[in-house]
Formats: sequence, C-alpha cells, structure tokens
Amino acid sequence: KAGVTQTPRYLIKTRGQQVTLSCSPISGHRSVSWYQQTPGQGLQFLFEYFSETQRNKGNFPGRFSGRQFSNSRSEMNVSTLELGDSALYLCASSLEAQGGGYTFGSGTRLTVV
Amino acid sequence: AQSVTQLDSQVPVFEEAPVELRCNYSSSVSVYLFWYVQYPNQGLQLLLKYLSGSTLVKGINGFEAEFNKSQTSFHLRKPSVHISDTAEYFCAVSDLGNYQLIWGAGTKLIIKP
Repeated sequence: KAGVTQTPRYLIKTRGQQVTLSCSPISGHRSVSWYQQTPGQGLQFLFEYFSETQRNKGNFPGRFSGRQFSNSRSEMNVSTLELGDSALYLCASSLEAQGGGYTFGSGTRLTVV
Repeated sequence: AQSVTQLDSQVPVFEEAPVELRCNYSSSVSVYLFWYVQYPNQGLQLLLKYLSGSTLVKGINGFEAEFNKSQTSFHLRKPSVHISDTAEYFCAVSDLGNYQLIWGAGTKLIIKP
C-alpha cells in the first residue's frame, strides 16, 4: 500500500511569506503528526491530529498551525516565515491512537531566504 | 518532562563487527520506546518498538533492543553490521497518554570497510 506522501519535496520561500505543506497519510491511518528537523535542534514535535482534532501541540509559536481533513489528509501552515524556519518538515501517520509506531514521509525541505 | 539521551553522536565500527547504540530516557513512568533509522535525504523508518511484554525486542534488518526499566535504557544492538547500515539512528520515547514522540539527538553509525 502507498506510504505517507508529503508535497512538495522541496520549497524555497522568502522571509515574510507564508507556506502550506501537505501530508497524505497511509490509508486508514487517523493520526497524523508533524515534526521539524534541523541540525541544531534535532527533531521537534509540532502537533498531532486525530480525526480532525488537534490533540497535542509542541512548543512552537502561533505562526505554525495545522489542520486535518475528514479524509485524514493534513496540512501545516507557517506564516511570516523567518530564516530559522528553514528545516526538514516530517509528517507521520499512525493506525492506532498511540504506541503503534509512526510511518514517516520523506519530508518537505523548506529553505527560507 | 521526558527527555532522551543518546550518549554517542557517532559510532565508528568495522564491517561485520557488532555494534551497540545507547539510549537513555529520563522518566520511569510507563512509556513506549522506539528506534528509527534515517538514511541520507530520506524520512525516518521504524526499526523496532517496545510497548509491553518481553524486554528484548527484535526489529528489521537484524537489529534488536533491550528495555531496561531500572536503568531507563533502551539500547540498540546488531551482532554484525553491513555497509548498508550506514545511517543515523534515533531513539524516541512516548509517555502513555501523550501523543508525541520525544527524540534523542541521533547517533551516526559509520561503517569502516
């Protein structure tokens, strides 16, 4: 079956712009999580959605937001981009509510210039 | 708050030698434990997970890990490494009822021919 699909794979944006990243989970998976990966900070949790509800949110400013649709697809949005937002953004989906192990997409590499 | 420590940022090892990658977590409350592998320019792939039951967990690609509750450790082992095991390995922990993964900083496994 198809894995977790993230689009686009690469993105270059200018400071101050906004960006929307998309994630299509594995069919049947209702939990979608987002992570930011940078060389300096490592992997950091952004938020997790289950059945269109945000259940948990990491310690990121309000410029970072997300949502999940009824088909479990998820988007995350970053407004007023800063240079420090340059990172690999990873989406993961899970079948079970917790503990099932997460399947990750290949990520979206965002570069802010 | 939960934290995860991967004691070695890099582990060089000769091909066909055994390897152990160390992981300790801070809180002794009930947790789920995971090891993921990341190949260059790719997302994260689940190697193995501990949810409950036997403390020795076997995963893919010949890897295994042992959960030690008293030492709050979850070390990853492989009896004989191959050049294709060159990658970065991440340990992650999830507290029960908390829908996020807390990550270690990662350990780069370097295979010497």
